[in-house]
Amino acid sequence: DQQVKQNSPSLSVQEGRISILNCDYTNSMFDYFLWYKKYPAEGPTFLISISSIKDKNEDGRFTVFLNKSAKHLSLHIVPSQPGDSAVYFCAASGGGFKTIFGAGTRLFVKA
Amino acid sequence: EAGVAQSPRYKIIEKRQSVAFWCNPISGHATLYWYQQILGQGPKLLIQFQNNGVVDDSQLPKDRFSAERLKGVDSTLKIQPAKLEDSAVYLCASSLAETQYFGPGTRLLVL
Repeated sequence: DQQVKQNSPSLSVQEGRISILNCDYTNSMFDYFLWYKKYPAEGPTFLISISSIKDKNEDGRFTVFLNKSAKHLSLHIVPSQPGDSAVYFCAASGGGFKTIFGAGTRLFVKA
Repeated sequence: EAGVAQSPRYKIIEKRQSVAFWCNPISGHATLYWYQQILGQGPKLLIQFQNNGVVDDSQLPKDRFSAERLKGVDSTLKIQPAKLEDSAVYLCASSLAETQYFGPGTRLLVL
């Protein structure tokens, strides 16, 4: 039972353009959502999070949007840089449930 | 501030052998997690400790996997005997609140 889904295994974007990574969840009890970034041979590192009481959270080039009615969140990276090339994991937690991770989306930013 | 430390970084064993992984969390982090990440999938929680007590081990294959966190600091995860399907990256993470901080992981290959 995949409670957190990232339907795009990979995404390719030109440097300077916007990258949009999507994530869907099924459990309406989740109330906290996080994005992690992972480089090869390293562990995931925390990028940005959002609580269910908000619909947007911004940190520099990174913005996360949450649509609770659609059970959907997205991560926007503007402008994209080659150093952003990595695997991005969406994660959800709350309501007494353990943190559940999506399968990840591999982002390629072309110079 | 030192991050989460894990060792070894890589391990190759034959099926039916045993193996142990070690994790040292960030100082002061009460919560420690062990995840299994199979290629192409997101991290899957195996066990969560709060200090030296187990909070969630519902997805730990207890017939072959065991974990302990003596004294509420370092933790070890053991597999005995290993199976081919245990080949994965084993990630340790620690946290104070919702955000988890991951170590670099141990890549296990079972032949």
